[in-house]
Amino acid sequence: QLQLQESGPGLVKPSETLSLTCTVSGGSISSSSYYWGWIRQPPGKGLEWIGSIYYSGSTYYNPSLKSRVTISVDTSKNQFSLKLSSVTAADTAVYYCARLMTTFDYWGQGTLVTVSS
Amino acid sequence: DIQMTQSPSTLSASVGDRVTITCRASQSISSWLAWYQQKPGKAPKLLIYKASSLESGVPSRFSGSGSGTEFTLTISSLQPDDFATYYCQQYNSLFTFGPGTKVDIK
Repeated sequence: QLQLQESGPGLVKPSETLSLTCTVSGGSISSSSYYWGWIRQPPGKGLEWIGSIYYSGSTYYNPSLKSRVTISVDTSKNQFSLKLSSVTAADTAVYYCARLMTTFDYWGQGTLVTVSS
Repeated sequence: DIQMTQSPSTLSASVGDRVTITCRASQSISSWLAWYQQKPGKAPKLLIYKASSLESGVPSRFSGSGSGTEFTLTISSLQPDDFATYYCQQYNSLFTFGPGTKVDIK
C-alpha cells in the first residue's frame, strides 16, 4: 500500500524559508506513470495546489506562488521536497504531499506549518 | 487561470436524503473534473475523476455528472459516514479547487 509522509519544521519565522520533505513508501517515486505534488490548506479554508514534480526533475508550479517555490526530487531516497521562500503569516497552513496521475489519488496525512516570530 | 465555484457552501441533510452539490468552472474544462471528500483533521479522499468515473473502493451511492462548465456530485442516500466537506477540482489547466461544500446533519 502506497504511503506518503510529510516531515519538516512546524514553526517558521516570517521572511525565512519553509522546507518540507515527503517520503514515499510502498512504491517507487521513479515510476513513469506519476507526478508528485504539494497542496496546502490554511486553517479553516480551502485547498491550494502549490506545484508538482516528475521523477526526472521536471516541475510546474502555481503561477501565484512560482516566484517563491522550489520543488525537488531525490530518487535515491524516494523523497521529494518543497521550499517556499520569504514566508508570511499567510503561508500558515497544513501542507500535504500527494501522488498525481491525472488527479491526486494518494495523500499524506498533512503537516501544519505555522509562520510566526 | 480557471476559477471554480461550488453551491451551496453548506448543506444540511438527514441520513437517507439524496444530496446534490454543484460545481462550475469559469471556462470549459471538458470532463477534467474530480471530486474529493474531506473530514476534519484528515487529508482529502478522491471520490470521482474525469467527472463521472468512480474511484476504486468508493461506494456506488456517489456519482458524478457534467461536462464543459457545470458539474454535479450526487449522493443517492446519505449515510452517517458522508457528513464531510466536498471539493471539486479541475485539471484541464494546472489544478484549481473549488471552495468546498460542507454537508452537515439537519
